[in-house]
Amino acid sequence: KNQVEQSPQSLIILEGKNCTLQCNYTVSPFSNLRWYKQDTGRGPVSLTIMTFSENTKSNGRYTATLDADTKQSSLHITASQLSDSASYICVVRARNSGNTPLVFGKGTRLSVIA
Amino acid sequence: DSGVTQTPKHLITATGQRVTLRCSPRSGDLSVYWYQQSLDQGLQFLIQYYNGEERAKGNILERFSAQQFPDLHSELNLSSLELGDSALYFCASSVTAVTEAFFGQGTRLTVV
Repeated sequence: KNQVEQSPQSLIILEGKNCTLQCNYTVSPFSNLRWYKQDTGRGPVSLTIMTFSENTKSNGRYTATLDADTKQSSLHITASQLSDSASYICVVRARNSGNTPLVFGKGTRLSVIA
Repeated sequence: DSGVTQTPKHLITATGQRVTLRCSPRSGDLSVYWYQQSLDQGLQFLIQYYNGEERAKGNILERFSAQQFPDLHSELNLSSLELGDSALYFCASSVTAVTEAFFGQGTRLTVV
């Protein structure tokens, strides 16, 4: 069964600190993996997209990594800001997947406090 | 602003009623997805349309139905509503069935 598991479920960090969010997936065959940021009550916004051949991709203070062999991805946030408080969702697309083109993790809820 | 427009933003209705949620995709996007997000839950894929045709179906209840019209806007119909249907309903669109999806701001449905 195609699944995406994220950890931790929630995280509280001080402003200015770094943090790393984890995503493990069993989706196969793999097409790509995206990290989304979702502010409370708003629609998710894409941060990065990674394909099979990409190991690292950065978007400002966000850096995503992908290990396709172990089926793991991480999202590293550096020098966190209060505005980083949100849910971060890992989404994996399966290739030729039939009924579940996108498999969503439940997200990590990040709270950045002053 | 993602370019995906959902209306209404908020909807309060009684159990047993029927509602219609509307989604206008980004200009040029042919694929539309619908998702349900209950309180503190992850996004649950409901259904996908591509250029007017149903492309994929997820955990969509029989009481729910959707369609995509020739102008590519989509509607999600929810009937015989139950308290448990209260959730945020998101629409997303993408250029093709496999490219990145951009999400609307959602419709918050409250069933009382």
